[in-house]
Amino acid sequence: DQQVKQNSPSLSVQEGRISILNCDYTNSMFDYFLWYKKYPAEGPTFLISISSIKDKNEDGRFTVFLNKSAKHLSLHIVPSQPGDSAVYFCAVGSSNTGKLIFGQGTTLQVKP
Amino acid sequence: DTAVSQTPKYLVTQMGNDKSIKCEQNLGHDTMYWYKQDSKKFLKIMFSYNNKELIINETVPNRFSPKSPDKAHLNLHINSLELGDSAVYFCASSQDRWVAKNIQYFGAGTRLSVL
Repeated sequence: DQQVKQNSPSLSVQEGRISILNCDYTNSMFDYFLWYKKYPAEGPTFLISISSIKDKNEDGRFTVFLNKSAKHLSLHIVPSQPGDSAVYFCAVGSSNTGKLIFGQGTTLQVKP
Repeated sequence: DTAVSQTPKYLVTQMGNDKSIKCEQNLGHDTMYWYKQDSKKFLKIMFSYNNKELIINETVPNRFSPKSPDKAHLNLHINSLELGDSAVYFCASSQDRWVAKNIQYFGAGTRLSVL
C-alpha cells in the first residue's frame, strides 16, 4: 500500500524545454512536500520543498506546485539542461512527525 | 570532506552471515536515519535516532539492529542475512527530528548483495 506514487518511471525531454514530474499521495494529513534529486552512485540531494499553506514555490529553474484537493504534487524544470538528467524522488511528511515517505522516483533524461 | 559517509560502499556476502554498515555525519546534526531502497526503487525509512535515542522504528525484522554510540554515528547491524535483504541502504541526517524545514542529507549508499 504505497502512500506516495510517481507513476512515470521515466521522462525524456529536449534541452531547453520544460520537464514536468508528477507525484500523487493518498493521505491528506501530509503537510510538507519535498523533491530530491539523485545521480548514479550518489545519495539523494534536496532540491526544493513546499508546505501545505502554499500552492507554489519557486527556486530558479525549479518550481514545485501543490494541489491539495487532488493530492498531487509536481516539479517543473524550465529550461531543462543535460545536467538535470537524474532520478527525481518526491517525498511527503507530516510536520508533527519525523518521517518522510518517498515515491519510487522518476528518471529524467534531458537530451542535448 | 563528505558530510554523510557510509562504509562499505559495496557488500557481498552469503546467506546466514552477520554484517554491519557504518555511518558518520560531520554536520553536527541531532537526527540520523537508515533507509532501504528495494528492487522497486522505493526509499523506505527503517530507523531514526535523535541524540542517540530511537524515535522511529518501522516494521523491520529483529535481525536488523541499529546502534548509535554518539549522535554523529549510526551503525546498522544485520544478523542472519537473507536473500531479501539485498538492497541499497542509505544513511541520512538532519538538524533535528521534524520534517518541516529540516533537510535530510544522504550518504552515497551501501549496496548489499546476499548470495
